[in-house]
Amino acid sequence: GENVEQHPSTLSVQEGDSAVIKCTYSDSASNYFPWYKQELGKGPQLIIDIRSNVGEKKDQRIAVTLNKTAKHFSLHITETQPEDSAVYFCAARDSNYQLIWGAGTKLIIKP
Amino acid sequence: SAVISQKPSRDICQRGTSLTIQCQVDSQVTMMFWYRQQPGQSLTLIATANQGSEATYESGFVIDKFPISRPNLTFSTLTVSNMSPEDSSIYLCSVGITTGVPEAFFGQGTRLTVV
Repeated sequence: GENVEQHPSTLSVQEGDSAVIKCTYSDSASNYFPWYKQELGKGPQLIIDIRSNVGEKKDQRIAVTLNKTAKHFSLHITETQPEDSAVYFCAARDSNYQLIWGAGTKLIIKP
Repeated sequence: SAVISQKPSRDICQRGTSLTIQCQVDSQVTMMFWYRQQPGQSLTLIATANQGSEATYESGFVIDKFPISRPNLTFSTLTVSNMSPEDSSIYLCSVGITTGVPEAFFGQGTRLTVV
């Protein structure tokens, strides 16, 4: 079945710098890759997603890239701000329509 | 998107008791799911709530421990039965609007502490 690995587990960046979180997946049939942000005491919030027929997608300061050949996808956050501090999860939707989750990355924005 | 309301938002329960968590969606949705998230961990799917039929449980989760109801397309409940401290977790309701739309949305979660 599908397996998703996420790195790093913790990422600390200076405010204003960029942050990159990477995920790899194992099932070449997976075709949908969302990213979620989870703030303390809240449920995960979908922030951006990408489908397998697209290589890159941007939404203001957030972008996601997908390399189907290498089976990895990444979240890029530019000009980081204090409110970007949270736990970020990647996921892949497998052939059974299930979301398989990464372990999460705690992003810390240093002032 | 969909607006998902979960109740209660948190609770502290005695071991051996049961708690029922409610999930209400502001629109009809095709798919509803229940997840568990242990402290500092990722999400683990408990089951898919099926409207009008028994839920589909993932490996390691059983109906006697986590009975689920879904009487219509906007509402579901998860019961955590005969609780022990190991059941202390965040329980999350998630919905998929239609099978053709892959996005999944989450409620704010129920933080359960069993003492």
